This record gives sequence, C-alpha cells and structure tokens, in this order.
Amino acid sequence: EVQLVESGGGLVQPGRSLKLSCAASGFTFSDYNMAWVRQAPKKGLEWVATISYDGSSTYYRDSVKGRFTISRDNAKSTLYLQMDSLRSEDTATYYCASEGLRDVMDAWGQGASVTVSS
Amino acid sequence: DIQMTQSPSSMSASLGDTVTINCLASQDIGNYLSWYQQKPGKSPKLMIYGATNLEDGVPSRFSGSRSGSDYSLTINSLGYDDEGIYHCHQYYEYPLTFGSGTKLEIK
Repeated sequence: EVQLVESGGGLVQPGRSLKLSCAASGFTFSDYNMAWVRQAPKKGLEWVATISYDGSSTYYRDSVKGRFTISRDNAKSTLYLQMDSLRSEDTATYYCASEGLRDVMDAWGQGASVTVSS
Repeated sequence: DIQMTQSPSSMSASLGDTVTINCLASQDIGNYLSWYQQKPGKSPKLMIYGATNLEDGVPSRFSGSRSGSDYSLTINSLGYDDEGIYHCHQYYEYPLTFGSGTKLEIK
C-alpha cells in the first residue's frame, strides 16, 4: 500500500525558515516524480513544486521561486521542501503527492500544517 | 498560466440524483485533466484521470467527459458518501493548476 507521511510543519514567524519532509513507502520511490501541493484555510488547491524521479529537474510556481527548494533523497525514499523567507500567505496545509505512471498525482499524504505568523 | 474555470462553486442534490460539475480550460490541455474528491480534513483522492479514465476502486457511478476545452464530472445515483469538494486539475503544463472547487452537499 502506498503511504506518504509528511512531517515538519508548525508555527513560524515571517521571514524565517521551515523544512518539510515526506516519507514514502509501498512503492519504488526513485521511479516517480513527486510534488508538493498546498491548501490555504478554506481555499482551493495550489500546486507548489515538482521534482523529477532522479532529482535532475525541478519546477516551481512563481510565488515561491527563489524562496522554496524541493529536493529528494531516493536512498531514504524521502521528499523535502525547504521553505525560506516565509510569508503570511504561505500559511497552508502542505501535501506531498506522487505522480504515478499516468503522470497524474495519484497518491497524497495526510498533509502538514504550516502557519506563518508573528 | 492555464486557468481552470470550475462551476458551480456549490450545489445541493438529493439521494439518487445525477449531478454534473464542469471545468473550462483557458487553453488546450488535451486529455491532461483529472478530478479529485476531498472530504473535510482529508487529503484529495483521485477519481478520474486522462479526462475520462476511472481510477481503480472508484465506483462506476463516476464518469468524466470532454467536449473541446470543456470537461465534466458526472456522478450518478448520488449517495451520502459522495458529499465533499471536487477539484479539477490540469497537468498538461507547468505551472500545474486547479479549479476553484465545487462543494457538493447531499440533501
């Protein structure tokens, strides 16, 4: 069974940093692209970033470029999201998701809550 | 960026009804369209991918269709378990984008 478990969320002041992790199991992690998607309170889903299966390619939404870094450790089957210079508008639940063979995000974690506030 | 215009934003229907949710893409996305169901406090669940393909384990009461840049999710024989928010999503190109969501309430 595919499992994605996020960790590392919490309350952080504006301008500070936070690093999310997503531990994967139940599938061959190194075969698949992975993504982060966030959802602000009472809002819709918003794609944040994607990393290719081997880490060679990364993609970001404009509002996080230069502040967030997606990475992965295939040996540990773990996905990361380093978030720097956090802003109040980054407050959201952050989900990691795997892109299966059909290129669609077909498995999601339970989410990690990030609150940016002074 | 590709805009996904989803409608309606909310709807209420009765047990056994058939409902349709729509998504209009601002440019060609081919069949790179998926639908997710999300229940309160839970992560999204993939229902339809490739515009018309049913994800494994999803009841056949759910179906997806496409007409040009218009995409639809239809749910037949509504049950209480179908209540939730439905999101359309294009994965044709970056930045990946989602519709604004449709909240479905079962009366």
